[in-house]
Amino acid sequence: AQSVTQLGSHVSVSEGALVLLRCNYSSSVPPYLFWYVQYPNQGLQLLLKYTSAATLVKGINGFEAEFKKSETSFHLTKPSAHMSDAAEYFCAVSDKGSQGNLIFGKGTKLSVKP
Amino acid sequence: EPEVTQTPSHQVTQMGQEVILRCVPISNHLYFYWYRQILGQKVEFLVSFYNNEISEKSEIFDDQFSVERPDGSNFTLKIRSTKLEDSAMYFCASSPRFGPYNEQFFGPGTRLTVL
Repeated sequence: AQSVTQLGSHVSVSEGALVLLRCNYSSSVPPYLFWYVQYPNQGLQLLLKYTSAATLVKGINGFEAEFKKSETSFHLTKPSAHMSDAAEYFCAVSDKGSQGNLIFGKGTKLSVKP
Repeated sequence: EPEVTQTPSHQVTQMGQEVILRCVPISNHLYFYWYRQILGQKVEFLVSFYNNEISEKSEIFDDQFSVERPDGSNFTLKIRSTKLEDSAMYFCASSPRFGPYNEQFFGPGTRLTVL
């Protein structure tokens, strides 16, 4: 069965530093890949998604992710962290043959220090 | 901007009691989902719903669970006889289109605590 692994349940960076949140998927057939963000007391909000077009995907708030088939990875990056980026980030996949149900990773809580 | 809403934000219940979690999807969306997240674990898919029918359900979604769209706006998840292990955050989501590449819009969740 498809699974998603997010390395690091908690990542802390300084304001202005690079943000790197890791995500690996298990399927041998590349699925559709998503990054969602959850701010406190809010629902999950889509940051970006990969649907087999460009391997480098740009999302909202300056985030981007690169699909690497050889590494079965879809890591999320942002060149310069802002205090407002502090949130929980979820990587998710959806199998191409499925009806759209998402399979999530455990989430990574990002803290940004001033 | 339209958003998915869920009520209540926190529900506390006794084991064996029935609970109904309510969601109001975005008004022009046609596809609806429930997910749950047990504390410290992954967000897990429960069920998807379209055209007043369940489209897909996971192994978690057993006979204790049911979903309904009782009117044109609400989408509910009922747990018939709650167990301690049902304690979790429950998320509702909706989507305007069907398919594995479409964005799902999530509500803020209902935290269910079963005592």
